[in-house]
Amino acid sequence: NAGVMQNPRHLVRRRGQEARLRCSPMKGHSHVYWYRQLPEEGLKFMVYLQKENIIDESGMPKERFSAEFPKEGPSILRIQQVVRGDSAAYFCASSRPTDIWNTIYFGEGSWLTVV
Amino acid sequence: AQSVSQHNHHVILSEAASLELGCNYSYGGTVNLFWYVQYPGQHLQLLLKYFSGDPLVKGIKGFEAEFIKSKFSFNLRKPSVQWSDTAEYFCAVNPKTSYDKVIFGPGTSLSVIP
Repeated sequence: NAGVMQNPRHLVRRRGQEARLRCSPMKGHSHVYWYRQLPEEGLKFMVYLQKENIIDESGMPKERFSAEFPKEGPSILRIQQVVRGDSAAYFCASSRPTDIWNTIYFGEGSWLTVV
Repeated sequence: AQSVSQHNHHVILSEAASLELGCNYSYGGTVNLFWYVQYPGQHLQLLLKYFSGDPLVKGIKGFEAEFIKSKFSFNLRKPSVQWSDTAEYFCAVNPKTSYDKVIFGPGTSLSVIP
């Protein structure tokens, strides 16, 4: 059973370009979380999605960032018009819906460098 | 291979009991260390972190952790747990030279019985 798959592992973009990060959850998982890690900081929550539905986007910057998790295919975190401050590691996690426990599994992350 | 292990998969405690969750990592270089908590139905939150300095770090909600370099350990403690501490706890290691690499432990589920 493959784990949470993220790609690309490393992405370099020039300022003003768009970045798309993909996350394929574990088989059977319908919940996806995106987190961002800046240098010398811990993970910060960005968005929580179920298939075709955004549950909680309280951690998403109000502009330029969007996320989706379509019925078919991976979840995508999209950053438009990237700036240097967007350089970070972006982690995806997935879980299956449960009543009590929400054990999550993390991908290896995607490192975005904006030059 | 770099890895993080957590000693217990599931811990059950009564309220007011003391808590210690073990975390060991295998990595030869210098690291940043984290404990995260995920309450039922919520997303992951940072409990505490260690980057440098005093190896005993204090976090939110009365949690603390001690980094013992010689043992490659970063155990989480709380002197008196509450029912509201029922959650999943994750230890994570981030090599200082690789901001894009975070290695998570498998998690420990804590159930606190009133």
